[in-house]
Amino acid sequence: GQQVMQIPQYQHVQEGEDFTTYCNSSTTLSNIQWYKQRPGGHPVFLIQLVKSGEVKKQKRLTFQFGEAKKNSSLHITATQTTDVGTYFCAGRDFGNEKLTFGTGTRLTIIP
Amino acid sequence: GAGVSQSPRYKVAKRGQDVALRCDPISGHVSLFWYQQALGQGPEFLTYFQNEAQLDKSGLPSDRFFAERPEGSVSTLKIQRTQQEDSAVYLCASSLGAGGLKGPQYFGPGTRLTVL
Repeated sequence: GQQVMQIPQYQHVQEGEDFTTYCNSSTTLSNIQWYKQRPGGHPVFLIQLVKSGEVKKQKRLTFQFGEAKKNSSLHITATQTTDVGTYFCAGRDFGNEKLTFGTGTRLTIIP
Repeated sequence: GAGVSQSPRYKVAKRGQDVALRCDPISGHVSLFWYQQALGQGPEFLTYFQNEAQLDKSGLPSDRFFAERPEGSVSTLKIQRTQQEDSAVYLCASSLGAGGLKGPQYFGPGTRLTVL
């Protein structure tokens, strides 16, 4: 079945540094979503990418969907303490409703 | 309601007991999903409803797991004869659409199940 891997598993950065997490699917995706989960919280939707090569920005966050629609990335510029949490990508196959979540990247910020 | 709600928030069960977990989705949301999240892992899909119809139950780990959404709104996930490996957070999510491109899934706070 479909597998979605993320790297790195953990990332510790100094406040103000940049952060990137990478997501790779074993299959071509219909679309991909990104979620953030704070410690002790539940996943919160960030963005959905649909088109091959799509790039979307939300303030300091930049999301990319690969040309082959099998990989994606999330880049945060100038991290802040509020960025702490685990970032998950979640891919959807064609003709399928379910999301397959990635393994997640846990971001911690050193003040 | 303003968001997805789940009850109970915490459940401790003795091995072999049956449990029932409730999800109240956002009003008007057609699609409802159940996920299982083990500590330090990403959510894993269990089952999906479109209104009252259970369209995908491929993620249910065994026949001890059963889910229903009889009137197309509230859903219940039932686990029979709980085992220690069932200990996890059970997340419910709902989304507005049905058919075509799907939008965001809105997650509830989850039910943390501990089986002793």
